[in-house]
Parts: sequence; structure tokens; C-alpha cells
Amino acid sequence: DAKTTQPPSMDCAEGRAANLPCNHSTISGNEYVYWYRQIHSQGPQYIIHGLKNNETNEMASLIITEDRKSSTLILPHATLRDTAVYYCIVRALRGGSEKLVFGKGMKLTVNP
Amino acid sequence: KAGVTQTPRYLIKTRGQQVTLSCSPISGHRSVSWYQQTPGQGLQFLFEYFSETQRNKGNFPGRFSGRQFSNSRSEMNVSTLELGDSALYLCASSPWTSGSPSSYEQYFGPGTRLTVT
Repeated sequence: DAKTTQPPSMDCAEGRAANLPCNHSTISGNEYVYWYRQIHSQGPQYIIHGLKNNETNEMASLIITEDRKSSTLILPHATLRDTAVYYCIVRALRGGSEKLVFGKGMKLTVNP
Repeated sequence: KAGVTQTPRYLIKTRGQQVTLSCSPISGHRSVSWYQQTPGQGLQFLFEYFSETQRNKGNFPGRFSGRQFSNSRSEMNVSTLELGDSALYLCASSPWTSGSPSSYEQYFGPGTRLTVT
């Protein structure tokens, strides 16, 4: 599975859009991009996933570049509760057990 | 729908003892995975069960075992506890469907914080 690279941390002002980058330059055509986040002392929370088209749900938007080598998770109006570690994960479907492999993630701090 | 529940939430054990942790998945989810989270190693996959069968196993010693019941509830057991087993143990359930990207949509419980002294 393709490796992902995220900056270790970033800050964002409350109410502004938070744009979280992820590099996955070795991604294969059948690999999906998933985003999870983990708020301190809680279990990880699924946010969104995509293959090649941009995706949006009630939590966030996922923008994948045309060459699929990078993506950006957008939280349109960040709140203090969005402070968490965000994980970008690239996985291919195998038709069997699909385990998640978490890297170090990126710590997003939303400041008042 | 109720989320994933894990019991107990906190546990303190002594080296050499054994421990059993329990996980109840979201109703209708048949896949249950377990993860260990420590400050040093981060989140690491332990094993995954589907329809009472272990389908995948991470790189952990045989002291770590699990099982799944017919109602999809799962337990994991750690025998002969070591200090290094102190961690947050997370259970996740998934609406696994072969070939569907939703198979990676895993819903995590709050975890069991295990402290080994």
C-alpha cells in the first residue's frame, strides 16, 4: 500500500477553513484515500474517503488532485472541537479482511 | 444506532495476570477489529474477526488472542501481562462488504485503558 506523508502539525483559527494536506505520490490506481481523526483520549473517528473524485459529507470535503498524488481534507469552518490528530490512510481493497494502517498523523490545533 | 461499546473502560492489572476485554459492535456490523495504541508505537492492528473467524492478525505475540461470538460481540484476552502491555485497546466495527470501500469505514469504541503494574 502507498505510503502517506503529512506535516506533523498545523494551527488554524476558529471559524476559518482548515486545509489538511496529505502526500501519497506512490498511490496505485485501485487505492482509496481515507481520513480519520482522533480527539484526545477517544477512539479514531472515520471522516471521509475517496478514489479520484472530490467528495463532501457533513463533516468535511476531500479534494484529490488529478494525478492522485496528493489530497487535501477541508474542514470548512473549524471549531475548537476539531482539535485532533488527523490520519490520512491509503488502502486498496483486497476482498478479504481490510485492516487500517495508521501512521503518525498530523496534529491540528484550532485556536480561539 | 448505538455506537461501539467497550468494557471495562479502565483496568489495572499486575504483571503475570491475564485480562479479558469486551467489545459490542454496532448493530448489523459483522466485522470487529482490535487495535493497541501506545505513545511509542501509535495505533497498531491486533486482529480482525468476521463471522466468528479470525481473518487477519497483526504482529503480536501469542499472548494476545481473541474470539467473536455468534452475535458479533468480541473479546480479546492477554495472558501473562507485561509492563509493555499498558496501552489503550480499541475495538472497531465495520459494515464489511467484499469489494466495497466501506470496508475501511471502521467505527471505533472509546477504548479500554489497561495499566499493568
